[in-house]
Amino acid sequence: DQQVKQNSPSLSVQEGRISILNCDYTNSMFDYFLWYKKYPAEGPTFLISISSIKDKNEDGRFTVFLNKSAKHLSLHIVPSQPGDSAVYFCAAQPGGGADGLTFGKGTHLIIQP
Amino acid sequence: KAGVTQTPRYLIKTRGQQVTLSCSPISGHRSVSWYQQTPGQGLQFLFEYFSETQRNKGNFPGRFSGRQFSNSRSEMNVSTLELGDSALYLCASSSLLGTGGNEQYFGPGTRLTVT
Repeated sequence: DQQVKQNSPSLSVQEGRISILNCDYTNSMFDYFLWYKKYPAEGPTFLISISSIKDKNEDGRFTVFLNKSAKHLSLHIVPSQPGDSAVYFCAAQPGGGADGLTFGKGTHLIIQP
Repeated sequence: KAGVTQTPRYLIKTRGQQVTLSCSPISGHRSVSWYQQTPGQGLQFLFEYFSETQRNKGNFPGRFSGRQFSNSRSEMNVSTLELGDSALYLCASSSLLGTGGNEQYFGPGTRLTVT
């Protein structure tokens, strides 16, 4: 049973436009949500996180939106740059750190020139 | 500050053997978590150690075990290897137990191939 789902295995976006990566979850106990970026042959790199008490968190070109009622979050990258081409993982964790991160299967973002 | 290091980077083993993977966290980090990444299942949490004690455990069989030393370095052991254990094993360190939304820093991983 997949508790964190990223339904788009890949996404192609033109350079300079907005990239929107989506993530859905089923476990209502999740309190923290994180986005990681992964290049081939490297470990995932933390991008941005959001607590369930917020609905938006922004860091430079990256903004994460959380819709708790829909159990849905999204990562917006504006403007998209060639270096953003990577696999993006959505992850979630219950409050109190009682469990490790539960990851989605990732979305491969391709930024086209 | 040096990042998370994992050794070895690549490993080939035969079914039935056992293997030990090593992880050195970022200096000052006391929490070390292990994850398994496979094409079919994605990234799955194995376990977390904090101050030499296993604090959290994912849904993996007892063949997967680990330990943490007083310097926070961690080892992961898999006994009686199966073909399905072929995966990228990632180690992540954090300054806190769990993440509570705080980021975990990942190493480059150890690619294990079981033949």
